[in-house]
Amino acid sequence: TVVTQEPSLSVSPGGTVTLTCGLSSGSVSTTNYASWFQQTPGQAPRTLIYSTNSRSSGVPDRFSGSILGNKAALIITEVQADDESDYYCVLHMDDGVYVFGTGTTVTVL
Amino acid sequence: EVQLVESGGGLVQPGGSLRLSCAASGFSFSNYWMSWVRQAPGKGLVWVSRVYTDGGMTTYADSVKGRFTISRDNAKNTLYLQMNRLTVDDTAIYYCARATREGNGDLGYWGQGTLVTVSS
Repeated sequence: TVVTQEPSLSVSPGGTVTLTCGLSSGSVSTTNYASWFQQTPGQAPRTLIYSTNSRSSGVPDRFSGSILGNKAALIITEVQADDESDYYCVLHMDDGVYVFGTGTTVTVL
Repeated sequence: EVQLVESGGGLVQPGGSLRLSCAASGFSFSNYWMSWVRQAPGKGLVWVSRVYTDGGMTTYADSVKGRFTISRDNAKNTLYLQMNRLTVDDTAIYYCARATREGNGDLGYWGQGTLVTVSS
């Protein structure tokens, strides 16, 4: 199973960017319990969203999660310079394992 | 405050073994699923394994199944990862993670990681 993400996205400060997380075969649903993580170089990941759309403690409401079509999505509004990071999704599979996506590098121009 | 501190990483030869530990504090360790995730240098995150609250249920990624064993000691608030038959592809930072909330098996809080280098 391959979990797909856009390799890179760019956004202007104050803008909105949507990251997606899909399956090489099939659709993502709420039963995949998608989570999203932010990681800057040299740092441990930080959990942003879990169970598709629940925000982790301390995460600004500029970050939200949903299902868009057949993919999970992370939407970042009012983008700030320090949102420039790598973002990963992870999906829970039927056999109990988790699979991370390939990651998206977000650049704030 | 939730704290997770990994230890036990280092340099090991191919075919060798290593045991990682993750000392937990700031929460009721025995009530949470715990997991290991790794990241090779310059690469993405890879889920490795998770263990249920009482240690009775474990799941592994195919890449480590049969070589790695996850376990926990709830009396010591410590998570372990026994890694055997290591290969160069196992070189990575290994993170332990606690679930977001009781009953969830996901990844919520992360340690800072410990580096494992497999090389001759």
